[in-house]
Amino acid sequence: AQSVTQPDIHITVSEGASLELRCNYSYGATPYLFWYVQSPGQGLQLLLKYFSGDTLVQGIKGFEAEFKRSQSSFNLRKPSVHWSDAAEYFCAVVNFGNEKLTFGTGTRLTIIP
Amino acid sequence: KAGVTQTPRYLIKTRGQQVTLSCSPISGHRSVSWYQQTPGQGLQFLFEYFSETQRNKGNFPGRFSGRQFSNSRSEMNVSTLELGDSALYLCASSLAPGQSDTQYFGPGTRLTVL
Repeated sequence: AQSVTQPDIHITVSEGASLELRCNYSYGATPYLFWYVQSPGQGLQLLLKYFSGDTLVQGIKGFEAEFKRSQSSFNLRKPSVHWSDAAEYFCAVVNFGNEKLTFGTGTRLTIIP
Repeated sequence: KAGVTQTPRYLIKTRGQQVTLSCSPISGHRSVSWYQQTPGQGLQFLFEYFSETQRNKGNFPGRFSGRQFSNSRSEMNVSTLELGDSALYLCASSLAPGQSDTQYFGPGTRLTVL
């Protein structure tokens, strides 16, 4: 079954600094990959997705992610973070067995002034 | 267009009781999926309903069940609650099954089992 790993449980970044959240996947073929954000007390919001084609994907809120097959990675990036970006971020992959999402354990992002 | 709504938002139960959670999908969405989110296990798929039929089921005991009504609204039920059932239960709707890219999540129901 497909799976994703998010190696960083918690990341702290200064406001205005750049951000990179790591995600590694395990799947032989090209996976369908997603990044979601969850603010406190809220559900999940889709930031961006990758199915095929251009390996650099643009999402909402100024986020982007790059699919790198050689590294089995799909890292999320943002050039300059805002205090409102503080949240938990989840990488996910579609499990082709049941067409459902398998999520990583999440990375909690803290923004300091 | 209204988003996915879940009721109630918060719930406190005691061990051994049963609970029913409700999810109203986005208008026009006919597929509803349920996920359990806990600090220890993360986000895990429970089941998916489409056209009042369960299409997929995750690896959860039979105490977890669900159903979908003709208006696509869905309920999930947990019987004989255990402490470990304390979690945020998220519902997601999509136009049709297998469309994870068009899946929208509700705010969740926070269940606490004492």
